[in-house]
Amino acid sequence: GIQVEQSPPDLILQEGANSTLRCNFSDSVNNLQWFHQNPWGQLINLFYIPSGTKQNGRLSATTVATERYSLLYISSSQTTDSGVYFCAVELGQAGTALIFGKGTTLSVSS
Amino acid sequence: GAGVSQSPSNKVTEKGKDVELRCDPISGHTALYWYRQRLGQGLEFLIYFQGNSAPDKSGLPSDRFSAERTGESVSTLTIQRTQQEDSAVYLCASSLIAGESYEQYFGPGTRLTVT
Repeated sequence: GIQVEQSPPDLILQEGANSTLRCNFSDSVNNLQWFHQNPWGQLINLFYIPSGTKQNGRLSATTVATERYSLLYISSSQTTDSGVYFCAVELGQAGTALIFGKGTTLSVSS
Repeated sequence: GAGVSQSPSNKVTEKGKDVELRCDPISGHTALYWYRQRLGQGLEFLIYFQGNSAPDKSGLPSDRFSAERTGESVSTLTIQRTQQEDSAVYLCASSLIAGESYEQYFGPGTRLTVT
């Protein structure tokens, strides 16, 4: 089956630092989403980005579908950015199951 | 508007008992998904519904797990004869299958503990 690999597995930052999270996938995918799981377990949608680049405030994401990877950029990190970041991809017909990576755990200290 | 809601938020049950978990999707969303997240792990897909039909049940871990959806709205995930390995957070998501966007939105989850 498809492999979704995220790196790094853990990341520790000082407030104000920038970071790049990577998601590699082993097969062609229809869709890709990035989520932030906060310390209370809620999954928050960050980006729906099957291809191209999007920006939302301090966050931006780029997916290069032909090369099977996506990047999530966090600039000027804040303590509230702490949590687990998941990449998830969709196989087959669009609107079916998401396959999740194992996540990147981010800790931002003040 | 209201997001995806799930109930109960927490459930503690004894091994061997049956449990029912409920999901209310975002109004108008045609697709509904169930996932499971074990402690410290990523999410694993269980089942999804398109309308009231379940085209893909491949993720259900055993025949003790079943799910149904009625009225293209509420869904119930039932686990029979619960085992300790069923302890996890069960997450529900929904999406509006329209145009070119199939973004999934998640509820807060039900934390199931089997003692």
